[in-house]
Amino acid sequence: TQLLEQSPQFLSIQEGENLTVYCNSSSVFSSLQWYRQEPGEGPVLLVTVVTGGEVKKLKRLTFQFGDARKDSSLHITAAQPGDTGLYLCAGAAGNKLTFGGGTRVLVKP
Amino acid sequence: EAGVVQSPRYKIIEKKQPVAFWCNPISGHNTLYWYLQNLGQGPELLIRYENEEAVDDSQLPKDRFSAERLKGVDSTLKIQPAELGDSAVYLCASSFQGGLNEQFFGPGTRLTVL
Repeated sequence: TQLLEQSPQFLSIQEGENLTVYCNSSSVFSSLQWYRQEPGEGPVLLVTVVTGGEVKKLKRLTFQFGDARKDSSLHITAAQPGDTGLYLCAGAAGNKLTFGGGTRVLVKP
Repeated sequence: EAGVVQSPRYKIIEKKQPVAFWCNPISGHNTLYWYLQNLGQGPELLIRYENEEAVDDSQLPKDRFSAERLKGVDSTLKIQPAELGDSAVYLCASSFQGGLNEQFFGPGTRLTVL
């Protein structure tokens, strides 16, 4: 069974602060995806990283895939209240996605 | 382009009653997934279809859960009889086979079993 562990489970910060969410596994994935989920909605894909060591930037969000393709991080610069949500990482192996337990982020104005 | 459609959005039933959820995936997506998500946790796969074939149902509790995707488009997930522990959000997702497995999720059905 492939497991993905996310840390921290919960993060509460003030608007303007930076934050980092981590996603770790002992398994190698062909790609890794990050989703954000808001209450009452399904997860929405933010980014897919494929190559070991890859870094992708999406406005204030920076995603990194570990060299060994086992771990990833999501960094948010100058967080805003609109960044509040449940952040999920998901590792892909074939057509199967394995989701982490999620990190709940609260950005207070 | 319409996203993944699920209905109903909310369902409240008493234990031992049956319940069914419906999902219509994005047009052209041949892979469909049903997930269960408990509060504050990540989705857990119940079943995956490629066209009309269930290719991964290893996590589906087959004593009470069943699913079908008869024409390879929309799908129904059923629970009979429901138990208190089945209270959760049931998410449907779809993807295009052969890509990076980027899944598109519906809004989910929140089930409460009393």
